[in-house]
Amino acid sequence: GAVVSQHPSRVICKSGTSVKIECRSLDFQATTMFWYRQFPKQSLMLMATSNEGSKATYEQGVEKDKFLINHASLTLSTLTVTSAHPEDSSFYICSARRAGSHSTSPLHFGNGTRLTVT
Amino acid sequence: AQSVTQLDSQVPVFEEAPVELRCNYSSSVSVYLFWYVQYPNQGLQLLLKYLSGSTLVESINGFEAEFNKSQTSFHLRKPSVHISDTAEYFCAVTVGTSGTYKYIFGTGTRLKVLA
Repeated sequence: GAVVSQHPSRVICKSGTSVKIECRSLDFQATTMFWYRQFPKQSLMLMATSNEGSKATYEQGVEKDKFLINHASLTLSTLTVTSAHPEDSSFYICSARRAGSHSTSPLHFGNGTRLTVT
Repeated sequence: AQSVTQLDSQVPVFEEAPVELRCNYSSSVSVYLFWYVQYPNQGLQLLLKYLSGSTLVESINGFEAEFNKSQTSFHLRKPSVHISDTAEYFCAVTVGTSGTYKYIFGTGTRLKVLA
């Protein structure tokens, strides 16, 4: 149990276009989902915390208008990279916390999306 | 501010040899500690966790980690590694107050098991 599906796994887009990444919890409800960005050979950088039915909380330095996050249901959160530029190329990973679990419970991660902007 | 330090960016080790991946944290409050493993082009998978109780925790695939409060460490060990253990390992802590916990990850240690 506790499977998180992230789609697409890889995407290549042209500079200036927008890309949507989906994160679904397949067998559990997730009140909270987290979006991370991982640079090569670096750790995961928390971008934002997404709570179902409310606005996402962005970390300092993350542009809200560029990285749009929507958490419309208990099983789906989306990250849209708007007007993508080559510097947005990265590995994006989502994670979810099961509804009703303690705040310190382990997270369940998707397999990530490798975004390449040309 | 809370932080997690993984001093070793890469650790090469021969198959069947023991390994220790180091993790130190800094926090003025109680923390919960985790080790996650990441295989190439995949997300992270929980390896083991320390929340409370026994300071030595084990995973199902032979890894163990010991919480040492005085040294603020949570090193990961395995007495005999396999080729399949080759991966990136991340130490993480959760910090915060009720309802606002965040995960802070270390920079990762790439374990490369050599035949």
